[in-house]
Parts: sequence; C-alpha cells; structure tokens
Amino acid sequence: DAGVTQSPTHLIKTRGQQVTLRCSPKSGHDTVSWYQQALGQGPQFIFQYYEEEERQRGNFPDRFSGHQFPNYSSELNVNALLLGDSALYLCASSLIFRDIPSSYNEQFFGPGTRLTVL
Amino acid sequence: EDQVTQSPEALRLQEGESSSLNCSYTVSGLRGLFWYRQDPGKGPEFLFTLYSAGEEKEKERLKATLTKKESFLHITAPKPEDSATYLCAVADLNAGGTSYGKLTFGQGTILTVHP
Repeated sequence: DAGVTQSPTHLIKTRGQQVTLRCSPKSGHDTVSWYQQALGQGPQFIFQYYEEEERQRGNFPDRFSGHQFPNYSSELNVNALLLGDSALYLCASSLIFRDIPSSYNEQFFGPGTRLTVL
Repeated sequence: EDQVTQSPEALRLQEGESSSLNCSYTVSGLRGLFWYRQDPGKGPEFLFTLYSAGEEKEKERLKATLTKKESFLHITAPKPEDSATYLCAVADLNAGGTSYGKLTFGQGTILTVHP
C-alpha cells in the first residue's frame, strides 16, 4: 500500500523565482492538505483541497496557490520566492466520509520537500 | 484562534526512565487531538487520535490521554529508538466552511533517550 509521496525531495531556488511541488496521496484517499514547517517549528497549515477545490486556507499570501487533479494528486505553487519561504513543505492526505460530516479522519504525511531560497 | 502549546521544549531521559509530555490546547470545539512523531528531515508519523475527555490510547511504550484542556503523552521505559520530536495537533469542530482538515500544531517536544 503506497503511502503519500512528494517530489522533488530537495530544491534550491533564488529570490523572485517560482516553484512547483507535487504530491500523490495515499491510496484510497481523496483529500490533500499542504503545510509549511520552518526549522524548529511545528507545521503550519497552508490550504486543503477536496474535489479539486480549495476548501480552507491558512494565513498565507496569494503567492501560494495550488491545484488538485482528478486523480487526487496535488500541486503547490509559490511565486516570487522570498528568503523566508525556505522550509520543509509537507503534504498530508486523508479520506472524507461524506455521510458522517462530524467525523474526522487522520491525516497521513509524506516525507516533505526541502525548499531552500538563496 | 486555535492554540496549541507543548512542554517541555526538550526532554532528555535515560533509557528506562519514564516521563510525560504535555500538550495544552485552546479550541472553540474539539473535533480531535492528534499525536505525531517526527524524525529529523522526515514527515510526521501518525500515532494517536483522541476525540473526547477521558479517552486513552496505547501503542507499545506510548500512552496518550486527554482532558478538556490538555493531553499527555506518557512514555514508559523509553528506549533510544524513541528519540524524536513529538508533535501535538488539534482539529477545530467550528473551523467553518467545508473544512475537514486544518490541523493546528504545537511547536513540538524534542525527546532524546540516552542508552
């Protein structure tokens, strides 16, 4: 059973450039969330995608955008990179039970993409 | 705004020396509290979900408990391989919209177990 996969593993960019990170969810999962984790901090929620729509967004500027494809995989795009964007970017997947709206399903994380902005 | 505070920031134990990690939280309505383990340079690994006060869950040397204001992760007779950062996160029942997934994390507790 394949877990959450992310690519690339590492990435080095310069200020002002644009980057695209990719995520494939765990088999059977339909929801993807993205998090940013700075060194020594806990992950911070960027946004979540379900049914190819952004469902909720954290306190991140519009430079951060995303997309979910019909096969449930997802991309995170960051434009006009800043030094402060250097972090570990984590993708997490889960499964939503539509007929149990109060339920909550655990999120399973991928290994992350380490982005360094110079 | 949801808040999660973990203590201590770092904990050093001798092998076999039991201890507890604390997670204090503030949410308008708790949908779930989650514990994760994270090894350096890797993604968080899911450990436990707790839904209501009084609930307890166990896995090997780890036991998680939940009250209305905090959660504890008890580590019994730890081994060096238990060394990692332990993260606590909450999901808010009243997050709004069609959100199913926002987790608010604490900053983590770095656990080091010496042989």
